[in-house]
Amino acid sequence: ESVLTQSPATLSLSPGERATLSCRVSQSVSSYLAWYQQKPGQAPRLLIYDASNRATGIPARFSGSGFGTDFTLTISSLEPEDFAVYYCQQRSIWPPTFGPGTKVEIK
Amino acid sequence: EVQLVQSGAEVKQPGESLKISCQASGYSFTSDWIGWVRQMPGKGLEWMGIIYPGDSITRYSPSFQGQVTISVDLSISTAYLQWSSLKASDTAMFYCARFNNAWYVVDWGQGTLVTVSS
Repeated sequence: ESVLTQSPATLSLSPGERATLSCRVSQSVSSYLAWYQQKPGQAPRLLIYDASNRATGIPARFSGSGFGTDFTLTISSLEPEDFAVYYCQQRSIWPPTFGPGTKVEIK
Repeated sequence: EVQLVQSGAEVKQPGESLKISCQASGYSFTSDWIGWVRQMPGKGLEWMGIIYPGDSITRYSPSFQGQVTISVDLSISTAYLQWSSLKASDTAMFYCARFNNAWYVVDWGQGTLVTVSS
């Protein structure tokens, strides 16, 4: 089973700042990695798939990059609604697995 | 519009059986994988397993193999997650999920909270 590690566990930032979230995978997953956002009391939603493709309706301030074992989700300028928990997920190695999450909180 | 509408919250005792449901609409039910994701209280997401309604091929994460059963009823476009004997450690929120062919979750249900307590 592939293990995903996300860092930092918590990111404290102010609205308007840039957020950089990291996801590291124990084995290469090529570009087969997604990012999800989950707000309290809500189901997650898909933000990025295949490392760098924005899902339908996702604002351009969200971008993804990376290949192999190291991936990054960047939020270029935090909006108030972006404060949430972010999970990465690989689908290259069975079973698909999620990372433990990074909480982006208001500083 | 795709909708995944899950059954309501459940409170059960250890050892009891349970079957929760997820009714899908807004897409061709037989053409996309559908499955379940667990979220234990205050914890992250865990991929449980998926089923392809078109031929009922089912795949489970090893952590959940033998612990739960995923099934579908094509006549009512509904997926199910069931337990034969619940444990307190099954207490969690369970999300129904529609997966694309790349096994990313493209749509989520609202979640079903299962509480197992004596």
